[in-house]
Amino acid sequence: QKEVEQDPGPLSVPEGAIVSLNCTYSNSAFQYFMWYRQYSRKGPELLMYTYSSGNKEDGRFTAQVDKSSKYISLFIRDSQPSDSATYLCAMSRSGNTPLVFGKGTRLSVIA
Amino acid sequence: DTGVSQDPRHKITKRGQNVTFRCDPISEHNRLYWYRQTLGQGPEFLTYFQNEAQLEKSRLLSDRFSAERPKGSFSTLEIQRTEQGDSAMYLCASRGQGAINEQFFGPGTRLTVL
Repeated sequence: QKEVEQDPGPLSVPEGAIVSLNCTYSNSAFQYFMWYRQYSRKGPELLMYTYSSGNKEDGRFTAQVDKSSKYISLFIRDSQPSDSATYLCAMSRSGNTPLVFGKGTRLSVIA
Repeated sequence: DTGVSQDPRHKITKRGQNVTFRCDPISEHNRLYWYRQTLGQGPEFLTYFQNEAQLEKSRLLSDRFSAERPKGSFSTLEIQRTEQGDSAMYLCASRGQGAINEQFFGPGTRLTVL
């Protein structure tokens, strides 16, 4: 079993829909949780960052962490075609340790 | 542009050749990470530096791979005697000092080994 599991999709939604992306993990030592967006043949771009449990909101994006369930989510409201990309969850044990990534979920938002 | 830069962006080489990639982190970022990403997978950690010291290496980093960060600024990743299995996107990330682990990635170097 991989440390971080993420459904690779693909996920296809109509424009304006609410998108829910999720990851589960097995290592209870993870404390830092991130979501990255990656367009085709580009480097990952940091979207959201959360430390420990709780919610964080930034514009149309909301990140949630439930450490008791070892489950993290990213919600995208009012999805736009420009949101079409691969979304990667990532996590780490401490502020210095390398990130452990999920496989990424490929999202298509159809106009 | 003050982001992470990588050079070259693309490299095609023949099996058995040596290749070297360069990463220039965001200035003042003292931590630098190398990851490898293959098609349909998330990035996998290779190695990381704090200033010029290489602090951790993954088991993925075989003895054909070597990384340096002289003077704690830019970093190079060299692959000797390339194999077809080395074909991947090589990503560099940097982060600054502080408790939070926000790593900023460069555009990557795409390596194709023929």
